[in-house]
This record gives sequence, C-alpha cells and structure tokens, in this order.
Amino acid sequence: AQSVTQLDSQVPVFEEAPVELRCNYSSSVSVYLFWYVQYPNQGLQLLLKYLSGSTLVESINGFEAEFNKSQTSFHLRKPSVHISDTAEYFCAVSYNQGGKLIFGQGTELSVKP
Amino acid sequence: KAGVTQTPRYLIKTRGQQVTLSCSPISGHRSVSWYQQTPGQGLQFLFEYFSETQRNKGNFPGRFSGRQFSNSRSEMNVSTLELGDSALYLCASSLPLTGMNTEAFFGQGTRLTVV
Repeated sequence: AQSVTQLDSQVPVFEEAPVELRCNYSSSVSVYLFWYVQYPNQGLQLLLKYLSGSTLVESINGFEAEFNKSQTSFHLRKPSVHISDTAEYFCAVSYNQGGKLIFGQGTELSVKP
Repeated sequence: KAGVTQTPRYLIKTRGQQVTLSCSPISGHRSVSWYQQTPGQGLQFLFEYFSETQRNKGNFPGRFSGRQFSNSRSEMNVSTLELGDSALYLCASSLPLTGMNTEAFFGQGTRLTVV
C-alpha cells in the first residue's frame, strides 16, 4: 500500500535556528509531493509542491524542500525559523493531478524564543 | 476569488443520530475530496467526487456517504453516529475547468463532536 512517513512527530527548536522536517514516501511510480501547514483550528494551507522539473522547490516564506527520487524523500527545511512558524506540518503524496492525497502523520513544529 | 467554504464550522450530535456536512468548492473546480482528521489516525481520505460521480473511495464503513451536485457543491453524510466519528472533517477542491491543476485547496473544516 502507498504510504507517507514523517519521521518526527514533534520537533522543538529555538527561534532563528535551522530546522528539517523529514518525509519519506513509498512508491515506484511518478508522484506529486506536497507540504501543507495547519494552524490550530484551521484547515490546511499549501506550503509548497513538487510536480515536475527542478527537484528543489521553495515557498514564499523561506521554506524549501528537495525531491529525492532515489531516496523517495521530500524533506522540508528552513534555515532560520520564527515563532510564527509554530504549527503542524503535513507531507502528502498524490499519484494523479487532483483528487486523492495520502498524508503523513504530521510533524508538530514548536519554535521557542 | 472565494475559497472553499464548509458549513457548519462546529457541530455536536448524539450517538445514533445522522449528520450532513456541506462543502462549496472554489468556483470552477470540479473535484471535491473529503478527509477525516483525528489525533489518533491523522488525516484519512474518505472519498472524492468528480462531475457528480464518486471516483475514489477510502477505507471507511458504508455509514459514510457523499454526493456532488451539478454546481460541484458536495455533501457528506454520516449515519448512526458513533463516538469515534468525532473529528475534524476537511473538504478539498481541485481540478479547475481552465488552466493547470496543481494543488488541492482546503476549507476550514467542520468540527464534529459526538456525545
């Protein structure tokens, strides 16, 4: 069965420190990869996506993720986090454009002053 | 452009009752998917509707059903509610009529509490 694994359920980090949230997926076919962020009592907001082309994708608020096909990974990184980045982050994979997303269990990022 | 609208935002129901949740996708989007989010199971896919037809279904019992109308609005229904159905139900819309489809857009969710 297709699956997504987020290796860390909680990641505490100090403000201005770098962070990496890890995501691995199981697939032998082409996939589309996404990172979503969820703030308390809110829906999911797309952070960034990999559809094709350059394996390094960036978001407007400083996050980046690199698609690594050989390692079936799509880790999320930010060189310097802010308090406002505190939220839950979900990695997701889709096997077609649109429709069903398979999510990881989520990583709770907690940024401390 | 309005986002995905889910109603109601919060709902409290009693075991055994049934409930209907509503989702209005982004104008022009043809696909609506539903997800259940719980602390224990995380985000799980319920089903997807496209052009009024269910085209994907997750691993949920038959008590969970849905439909899509000709204007792409969707409803999901849960019958004979159980305590374990308490969750945040999220709706996502995708597949615009024009332009490339690149992502799913989520609503704010409906928080269902079964007592």
